[in-house]
Amino acid sequence: EADIYQTPRYLVIGTGKKITLECSQTMGHDKMYWYQQDPGMELHLIHYSYGVNSTEKGDLSSESTVSRIRTEHFPLTLESARPSHTSQYLCASSAGLQETQYFGPGTRLLVL
Amino acid sequence: AQSVTQLGSHVSVSEGALVLLRCNYSSSVPPYLFWYVQYPNQGLQLLLKYTSAATLVKGINGFEAEFKKSETSFHLTKPSAHMSDAAEYFCAVSGAGGFKTIFGAGTRLFVKA
Repeated sequence: EADIYQTPRYLVIGTGKKITLECSQTMGHDKMYWYQQDPGMELHLIHYSYGVNSTEKGDLSSESTVSRIRTEHFPLTLESARPSHTSQYLCASSAGLQETQYFGPGTRLLVL
Repeated sequence: AQSVTQLGSHVSVSEGALVLLRCNYSSSVPPYLFWYVQYPNQGLQLLLKYTSAATLVKGINGFEAEFKKSETSFHLTKPSAHMSDAAEYFCAVSGAGGFKTIFGAGTRLFVKA
């Protein structure tokens, strides 16, 4: 059973607000990821991390930022939310390269 | 470069019928291939994965997939569909030395009573 958590599950906010989506895992995995998921589309990798103090941007351009100060925690921040940020955000972790990724339940974000 | 194509965004089968979800991949290195399932309001969870061992891979819930290098395919099958199989299914590929896993667009499976 995977132990990876995301909060909040649902969020409705106004344009211009700063938000942080939380992601935590208790499996001790080094690798963590953030994906953006829209209906009928591929999962798009927006950020990933090899380990503490290591973060990289993914394939999909994103105005969000991430940090990795602790192994278990990988929060994603939007400094100024816009309607174009409306989407589902999935956090995942894995023990190594080509290993199974374990996903959190996702955060559905609606920016008005 | 790697890519994944899932043929058919929606598949509908009757309960008890064969399930076949198609996935073709492109990879410049020997691939690792995955099938994930996503139930409503949940994250993805692993069904099965191929990592260069046996070409026929068995997963959870009675699903299996066969790696066919000549066809660059990794189709997912289940002999008899259950109502509980209704979900979205994602095929994914990664490769030795690579970091990022590439996911397909997903196939939504409907199961009719």
